[in-house]
Amino acid sequence: GQNIDQPTEMTATEGAIVQINCTYQTSGFNGLFWYQQHAGEAPTFLSYNVLDGLEEKGRFSSFLSRSKGYSYLLLKELQMKDSASYLCAVRDENYQLIWGAGTKLIIKP
Amino acid sequence: SAVISQKPSRDICQRGTSLTIQCQVDSQVTMMFWYRQQPGQSLTLIATANQGSEATYESGFVIDKFPISRPNLTFSTLTVSNMSPEDSSIYLCSVEEGSSGANVLTFGAGSRLTVL
Repeated sequence: GQNIDQPTEMTATEGAIVQINCTYQTSGFNGLFWYQQHAGEAPTFLSYNVLDGLEEKGRFSSFLSRSKGYSYLLLKELQMKDSASYLCAVRDENYQLIWGAGTKLIIKP
Repeated sequence: SAVISQKPSRDICQRGTSLTIQCQVDSQVTMMFWYRQQPGQSLTLIATANQGSEATYESGFVIDKFPISRPNLTFSTLTVSNMSPEDSSIYLCSVEEGSSGANVLTFGAGSRLTVL
């Protein structure tokens, strides 16, 4: 079966750096997405990786290794507003999106 | 990106009743997607709503339980029928923007249903 694994919850300190990992086993691969979801709100798009390597977008970066079935989202200079759930999703060979359960990130002052 | 208006934002429903969720997009889109998000779980695709044809349902979801309408390219409804407490969840509509595999999903704000 197809599977996406991410940690359930992480805690980090304001101003610090945190890395949220995502591993996947899917039938085929056509890209990996990261979404941010604040409590009670809709998910919003953060990043997309289809080739190996690092994609940087301001304080957020996303890395992909297709051979390892692995990605991470790196958040720098953490702010309290970064407290949210972060969802990893992979598009499989049929272009279907497979979603992880999300990682709840708690930022402490 | 597209703006999606979804209502109701939340509701408390009695067992055995049905509720219809509406989703309005500010631009014309070919496909609209209905998702369910249960507490602590991943997003699960219920069905894809296509204008002018029957919706396409994912494994585990059937039209009798989740009838969908798609009368035009900017609007869709999802009905949750004969509800039970197990249907308590957040229901989200979404659209894709972009091309090929890089399509990005934009979501409505969600409808949080509690079934008593």
